[in-house]
Amino acid sequence: QKEVEQNSGPLSVPEGAIASLNCTYSDRGSQSFFWYRQYSGKSPELIMSIYSNGDKEDGRFTAQLNKASQYVSLLIRDSQPSDSATYLCAIQVGAQKLVFGQGTRLTINP
Amino acid sequence: DGGITQSPKYLFRKEGQNVTLSCEQNLNHDAMYWYRQDPGQGLRLIYYSQIVNDFQKGDIAEGYSVSREKKESFPLTVTSAQKNPTAFYLCASKSSGRPGNEQFFGPGTRLTVL
Repeated sequence: QKEVEQNSGPLSVPEGAIASLNCTYSDRGSQSFFWYRQYSGKSPELIMSIYSNGDKEDGRFTAQLNKASQYVSLLIRDSQPSDSATYLCAIQVGAQKLVFGQGTRLTINP
Repeated sequence: DGGITQSPKYLFRKEGQNVTLSCEQNLNHDAMYWYRQDPGQGLRLIYYSQIVNDFQKGDIAEGYSVSREKKESFPLTVTSAQKNPTAFYLCASKSSGRPGNEQFFGPGTRLTVL
């Protein structure tokens, strides 16, 4: 089992709808979780970090963490074409390392 | 302007050659990281450094070498021993003052072996 698993997609969502991205992980000791957005040909950009169970909201983005079920998700409300990108889930393993999922490619259709 | 810079943006190498990728940060971050990304894949850790003059191997260190002589700089050398070096190379840094392990990335270097 991979340490971090994401559905590679592509996930297609109509403009204005809610996009839901999911990630599962295997290390029960992980305490820090991150979502990065990566546009084609560019480097990843940190958009959300979450450290405790529950929801964390930042503008149109909501991260959800459930440590008991070992999943973390990202919701994007009122999806815009500019949200079309690959979204990478990352978890902290040990004191210094991040382990990344393979990413979910999201397309917002106008 | 604070940030992480990587150079060059594109690099072409002949088989058998060593090449060095530059990574510089002026964010006063303590920790720096090198990742490799292959098409359609996530990031894999090559090397990381928590302080000057110290670094640790990541998951795929074979065929790579690094140095950390200055806090601001963490160059990566791709040696001829690396069997499949064509990839997108990303440098990241992290402040010890931030919670968790929030890492911030430079723009990347795309290496192609001819």
